[in-house]
Amino acid sequence: AQTVTQSQPEMSVQEAETVTLSCTYDTSENNYYLFWYKQPPSRQMILVIRQEAYKQQNATENRFSVNFQKAAKSFSLKISDSQLGDTAMYFCAFRGRNFNKFYFGSGTKLNVKP
Amino acid sequence: DAGITQSPRHKVTETGTPVTLRCHQTENHRYMYWYRQDPGHGLRLIHYSYGVKDTDKGEVSDGYSVSRSKTEDFLLTLESATSSQTSVYFCAISDSRETEAFFGQGTRLTVV
Repeated sequence: AQTVTQSQPEMSVQEAETVTLSCTYDTSENNYYLFWYKQPPSRQMILVIRQEAYKQQNATENRFSVNFQKAAKSFSLKISDSQLGDTAMYFCAFRGRNFNKFYFGSGTKLNVKP
Repeated sequence: DAGITQSPRHKVTETGTPVTLRCHQTENHRYMYWYRQDPGHGLRLIHYSYGVKDTDKGEVSDGYSVSRSKTEDFLLTLESATSSQTSVYFCAISDSRETEAFFGQGTRLTVV
């Protein structure tokens, strides 16, 4: 079974600063997908960014970018110019290419302070 | 937004009673999932479906059963609810042509 580890249960950042959330995973597969989801207090799960393992280039979506290190099985999320609306739980997730299950980490609670 | 509706949104039930949660999608996606979310555990897969009448167990399937008689509906049943099943339950869908999962709004279930 695949495992996803988020070692930071909670983090804080000042508004307008940059923060990085860590995620590591364990798999024997070579092709897979990785995701970051955001869960604000509304409880809705929102896709932030995704990365295909076969792509060398790190994914970027506006203020959100990832640092994907395939050999190290690491997939961190960088949030630039943090905003109050970024306050949420963030989940890292893995999906194998040949299977259709999604595996999630335990989450990191991010608090953006004014 | 993906068309996924979970019902009910909130439920309180007594220990030992059966409970059924419903997930309805309008996206015609092949794959449907039930997850539970608990503090410190993230989202854990209970059961998933890869087609009508095709289902498989996830990592925390004990005490739960599922059924999918139509593409659009995926039911989760707690056969005899226990306090350890107090949780927030999420339904998710995915299509083989896309890679991410789309989530419903979640159901908060309290077993007293």
